[in-house]
Amino acid sequence: AQSVTQPDIHITVSEGASLELRCNYSYGATPYLFWYVQSPGQGLQLLLKYFSGDTLVQGIKGFEAEFKRSQSSFNLRKPSVHWSDAAEYFCAVGARGYSTLTFGKGTMLLVSP
Amino acid sequence: NAGVTQTPKFQVLKTGQSMTLQCAQDMNHNSMYWYRQDPGMGLRLIYYSASEGTTDKGEVPNGYNVSRLNKREFSLRLESAAPSQTSVYFCASSGLRDRGIVYTEAFFGQGTRLTVV
Repeated sequence: AQSVTQPDIHITVSEGASLELRCNYSYGATPYLFWYVQSPGQGLQLLLKYFSGDTLVQGIKGFEAEFKRSQSSFNLRKPSVHWSDAAEYFCAVGARGYSTLTFGKGTMLLVSP
Repeated sequence: NAGVTQTPKFQVLKTGQSMTLQCAQDMNHNSMYWYRQDPGMGLRLIYYSASEGTTDKGEVPNGYNVSRLNKREFSLRLESAAPSQTSVYFCASSGLRDRGIVYTEAFFGQGTRLTVV
């Protein structure tokens, strides 16, 4: 069975500082990997996705993530955080030919002035 | 292009009442899903429909039923609401087929905030 672990429940980052949110997955075959963001009271918005190919993927809002097969990780990064990035971030894993996604429990990002 | 539309956005029920949450997508996706979101629990899959005419249980199906009315619509029904079903419910769709590959990125509605008292 697929599983996703986001080790950090909350992270606080100063505005302008760099950000890395961790995601580890468990899956036997090559996974499809996703990062979603949820602002308060809103639905989930797709930030970026990895299906195959280049292991460094670029997303919206200046985010990127790197797939590392040897570490079963798909960490999300941003070089300089803005106050508007404060939200909850979810990592998810899926698989080719299998329609459902499995989500991590989320990481709440707080941005301090 | 509305994406995924859920109704209602808010609902308060008394214990034992029934209701149906509606969901429609206009992206020609094959698969549709119902998730619930609770604090500290992330998103948990209730039911899904991999394609029109099929439905399957997810991680937390007890107390719910679903209907895939057509390719666009997927409803979730609570037959006898309980306080434990107080949650935020999200509908999602996915399954864009491109040159033989099915892409499983999911697109979400804005959610239904349900309170059972």
